[in-house]
Amino acid sequence: QLQLQESGPGLVKPSETLSLICNVSGGSISSSDYYWGWIRQPPGKGLQWIGSMYFSGTTYYTPSLKSRVTISVDTSKTQLSLKLSSVTAADTAVYYCARVGLRYFDISSWGQGTLITVSS
Amino acid sequence: QSALTQPASVSGSPGQSITISCTGTSNDVGAYNYVSWYQQHPGKAPKLIIYGVSKRPSGVSNRFSGSKSGNTASLTISGLQAEDEANYYCSSYRTSSTLDIFGGGTKLTVL
Repeated sequence: QLQLQESGPGLVKPSETLSLICNVSGGSISSSDYYWGWIRQPPGKGLQWIGSMYFSGTTYYTPSLKSRVTISVDTSKTQLSLKLSSVTAADTAVYYCARVGLRYFDISSWGQGTLITVSS
Repeated sequence: QSALTQPASVSGSPGQSITISCTGTSNDVGAYNYVSWYQQHPGKAPKLIIYGVSKRPSGVSNRFSGSKSGNTASLTISGLQAEDEANYYCSSYRTSSTLDIFGGGTKLTVL
């Protein structure tokens, strides 16, 4: 069974770069039936897409974050990574990695989420 | 990107049925049968409960059902149980967008 596990620093200072890793186990990270993404949820608020990456290597980012985001996949390590630069308090959120099915664009697999707090 | 529109909250008594609406546009909900619904309990990751408008993943109770009419999708939960109390989010593929769009979420309270 596919499992996704995020890991990160927990606390990041304002203006620094947030780096997160999602370890993928129990399934292929290279399958052409799915794409991978990062979603975040500020405390007490709803879900927000950050960006996604297809098996071809093509990436897509939400417009409001595009200038600060980089998503990549390391197939040898079966890891998905997220880098978000110049963070502010508004980037405080639970960050989820996710696998999205290409047939119905449904998120059938989620990580457990990792809380990132931006504070000095 | 504008979110899909959901009611902020709904409530119902055990055993009753409730429906949560998700209103989009002709560029998303109305254009494709790619609407999904997610259930999220406090402190937990969201869980897929409906995909493709009305399909249920294996293991999801048949008390959950989905439908769509025009630009509005709906999630119906029948025979409400205390464990159904959670936040529910809809999502849809959107034309000319490279990322799906979420609804703002609906808090279901079981009275």
